Amino acid sequence: EDQVTQSPEALRLQEGESSSLNCSYTVSGLRGLFWYRQDPGKGPEFLFTLYSAGEEKEKERLKATLTKKESFLHITAPKPEDSATYLCAATSLSWGKLQFGAGTQVVVTP
Amino acid sequence: DTAVSQTPKYLVTQMGNDKSIKCEQNLGHDTMYWYKQDSKKFLKIMFSYNNKELIINETVPNRFSPKSPDKAHLNLHINSLELGDSAVYFCASSQRAWAGQGQETQYFGPGTRLLVL
Repeated sequence: EDQVTQSPEALRLQEGESSSLNCSYTVSGLRGLFWYRQDPGKGPEFLFTLYSAGEEKEKERLKATLTKKESFLHITAPKPEDSATYLCAATSLSWGKLQFGAGTQVVVTP
Repeated sequence: DTAVSQTPKYLVTQMGNDKSIKCEQNLGHDTMYWYKQDSKKFLKIMFSYNNKELIINETVPNRFSPKSPDKAHLNLHINSLELGDSAVYFCASSQRAWAGQGQETQYFGPGTRLLVL
C-alpha cells in the first residue's frame, strides 16, 4: 500500500542546533515529493518539490534531499521563526493527488 | 493580493444544519482541491476539479457536494452536518492536475474551521 511516513512526530531544538526531518515513502512510480510548512491556524505554505533521487533544493536555512525511498529536510542553524509543522507529501504516476504524511512539529527555542 | 481565499474563516453550527464554504483563487490555475485536516493535523484530499470537471472524488459521504461554477471558484456544500465533520477544511489550487515540473504544485488557502455542536 502506498504511504508517506514522517519522523519524528515532534522535535525541540535550541536556536542554532541543526537537525534533519525524515519523510519515507512507499510509492509505485514517484512523480514528485513535496515539502510544506504549516504555521498554527494557517494553511500549508509550499517550500520545495523534488522529482528524482539525488536532487537537492535549498531555501535559506532549509535544504531538502531525495533518495529512492526517503526525503530529508535539513534545518541548518535554526531560528525561533523556523518553528512550525513541516509536512511532506507525494504524488505517484498512478494517483494524480497529493498524499500527505502526518507532519513533524518543530519548536526552536532561543 | 490573496492567492487562494476561503470564506468563512470560522463556522460554528448545530448538528443537522446545512452549510457552505466558498473558495476563490486568483492565480489563473486550472485545478482546485478540497482537503480535510482532522484533529491530528492529518491532511486528506476530498475532491479535485480540473477546469470545472470533477477529477478526484475520494471516499467522502455524499452529504458533501462540491460545486465549481467556473475554474476560479470551488465551493463545498455540506448537508445534515454531523459532529464528526468538525475539522479544518482547506482549499488549494494548482496550475495543472499532474503535468509535472512544478505545474502540479498546490497552493493552499487559509482554511475554514468548522465546529459542529
